[in-house]
Amino acid sequence: NAGVTQTPKFRVLKTGQSMTLLCAQDMNHEYMYWYRQDPGMGLRLIHYSVGEGTTAKGEVPDGYNVSRLKKQNFLLGLESAAPSQTSVYFCASSYPASGSRDNEQFFGPGTRLTVL
Amino acid sequence: AQSVSQHNHHVILSEAASLELGCNYSYGGTVNLFWYVQYPGQHLQLLLKYFSGDPLVKGIKGFEAEFIKSKFSFNLRKPSVQWSDTAEYFCAVNAPNTDKLIFGTGTRLQVFP
Repeated sequence: NAGVTQTPKFRVLKTGQSMTLLCAQDMNHEYMYWYRQDPGMGLRLIHYSVGEGTTAKGEVPDGYNVSRLKKQNFLLGLESAAPSQTSVYFCASSYPASGSRDNEQFFGPGTRLTVL
Repeated sequence: AQSVSQHNHHVILSEAASLELGCNYSYGGTVNLFWYVQYPGQHLQLLLKYFSGDPLVKGIKGFEAEFIKSKFSFNLRKPSVQWSDTAEYFCAVNAPNTDKLIFGTGTRLQVFP
């Protein structure tokens, strides 16, 4: 199993450009998440999805959009990139929490994005 | 709202020293608790987790953590650190049947030979 994969690994954008980050998981997880990691701020949740066709806002959703057309894929879009979106982006996936199972999240390798 | 506090932002130790990293959370209900580690240039990996049962949890690489419900704490410990433990450590918490993990801001650990 590849686990959680992300493409691309690195990207440099100019202000105003758009791009899409792809996350894929092969663990049949229901839940998927997009985080950004910035120095001194830990991981902050951007958007998440509890199943195919559903998305929800996290802590810092502004400037981002997401789509979950297939269960195994979760796309993060930047319509008009800004320097404040320079960050490392991590995707994660998990099963939903239940009475007998916790919802440990499995993380991808990250995408380092620089917006000039 | 749930929050997670990691009071140690940067810890510097020599090899063989003992380690304790603090983690406190604000949620009052039943929680799941996690410690993740991020080695330089890598993604987050699960170190250990508390779901239920014994509040003393043992994880990989000799790490352990103790859940103290009365103190809302889940501190990470290791009796003798190694240079290879140099990494950033994140505590995270969620309540069962919620969709999200709340992460602390992380503790950067540097271990010198």
